[in-house]
Amino acid sequence: GAVVSQHPSWVICKSGTSVKIECRSLDFQATTMFWYRQFPKQSLMLMATSNEGSKATYEQGVEKDKFLINHASLTLSTLTVTSAHPEDSSFYICSASQGLGNEQFFGPGTRLTVL
Amino acid sequence: QKEVEQNSGPLSVPEGAIASLNCTYSDRGSQSFFWYRQYSGKSPELIMSIYSNGDKEDGRFTAQLNKASQYVSLLIRDSQPSDSATYLCAVNRSASKIIFGSGTRLSIRP
Repeated sequence: GAVVSQHPSWVICKSGTSVKIECRSLDFQATTMFWYRQFPKQSLMLMATSNEGSKATYEQGVEKDKFLINHASLTLSTLTVTSAHPEDSSFYICSASQGLGNEQFFGPGTRLTVL
Repeated sequence: QKEVEQNSGPLSVPEGAIASLNCTYSDRGSQSFFWYRQYSGKSPELIMSIYSNGDKEDGRFTAQLNKASQYVSLLIRDSQPSDSATYLCAVNRSASKIIFGSGTRLSIRP
C-alpha cells in the first residue's frame, strides 16, 4: 500500500504555543488529504478535508482559525494548532488519497500533549 | 440513523475460529467499501477494499458486499491473537469523502 508519513510522532508543548504537524505522501501524489482527531477510546473524528492548492473544508464545529491547514503540494499537508490548550491534547492523524472517493492511506499519527 | 453503522463490541472469538464483522450503510448510492484495522494507540491500516457485490478474498480475510441489503461484512478465518483490534468499516459515493463507522472491537481469546 501507499506510504504516508507524519512528523513529529509526538509533541509536548506549553499552553498558548502553536504546534505544526506535517503529513507527507511518500510514494504517490495525494490530491486530497484529510485530518482527523481521535480521543482515547473514541472514534475517528474528521476535522477537515484539503485539496492541493485550495482552501481546506472544515467539518462543523472545527475552528478554522485555530486549526490551520495548508496543502501546498501534492505530497505535503500541514496542520498548525494555534494557541494550543490542554483540551487540544489528542491523537492527530492525517490520511491521503488520490481523489475524494478513493481509499485513504493513513499516516502513523501525532500524539499532542498540551501542558 | 447513522450513515455507517457497526456494532461496537467487544466481539470475543476463540483463537482459530472465524470472526465475522458486520456493517450497514444508509446511502444506496454508495459505491466503494473499505475495511480498516486499528490497533490501540495506532492509526488505521487499510486491509480490504470491495466495490462489487459478492465476496473478495485476500489471505485469511474475506469481504462480502450486498448492495441490495446495504450490508458489508468482513470474515477473518483462523483468527489469531494478533487480529485483536478495532475494525473500521468505511463507505463512500463516487467523488465524495469516505464515511467511517465507529468501529467494532475484536478480541481473540487464546
